[in-house]
Amino acid sequence: GENVEQHPSTLSVQEGDSAVIKCTYSDSASNYFPWYKQELGKGPQLIIDIRSNVGEKKDQRIAVTLNKTAKHFSLHITETQPEDSAVYFCAASTTGRRALTFGSGTRLQVQP
Amino acid sequence: EPEVTQTPSHQVTQMGQEVILRCVPISNHLYFYWYRQILGQKVEFLVSFYNNEISEKSEIFDDQFSVERPDGSNFTLKIRSTKLEDSAMYFCASRDDGEKLFFGSGTQLSVL
Repeated sequence: GENVEQHPSTLSVQEGDSAVIKCTYSDSASNYFPWYKQELGKGPQLIIDIRSNVGEKKDQRIAVTLNKTAKHFSLHITETQPEDSAVYFCAASTTGRRALTFGSGTRLQVQP
Repeated sequence: EPEVTQTPSHQVTQMGQEVILRCVPISNHLYFYWYRQILGQKVEFLVSFYNNEISEKSEIFDDQFSVERPDGSNFTLKIRSTKLEDSAMYFCASRDDGEKLFFGSGTQLSVL
């Protein structure tokens, strides 16, 4: 089955800096890659997603890039703010098997 | 904004007891899921449900687990005889015909 690896496990940045979180996946059939933000005591919240026919997608301060050949995808957060502090999860799924396989999470701490 | 609702937020039970975790998915959604997250670990897929039947389940979802959609709004997860290792945060999720999966805030299950 699919295996998603995520790095780093923790990331501390200064407010205003950029943060990058990277994931790799094993199943070449995976074609949908969402990113979730989880705040303390809450469920994962979808923040951005990308499909395999697109190499990059941007939504204001967040962007996701996908390299299908290398089977990795990354989340980029620019101009970080303290409210960006949370645990971020990447995930992957394939059409026909819509259950998401999650990465192990990255705890992002934005220092004011 | 529509959201997935889960009750209770916390559930404490004795080992060997049955528990039922309840979820109200987003009203026009068709696909329903249960995931769990053991403290500090990744979110793990348990089961998916569509058209009143299980469409996929993981190896975690053994005979002690069952799901049901007893009416047009609720989606439940039953654990027949809880074990200590069932202690986790359980998330319900739903989606419409698209790929975006929306999660509830979770039920923290503690088995003593």
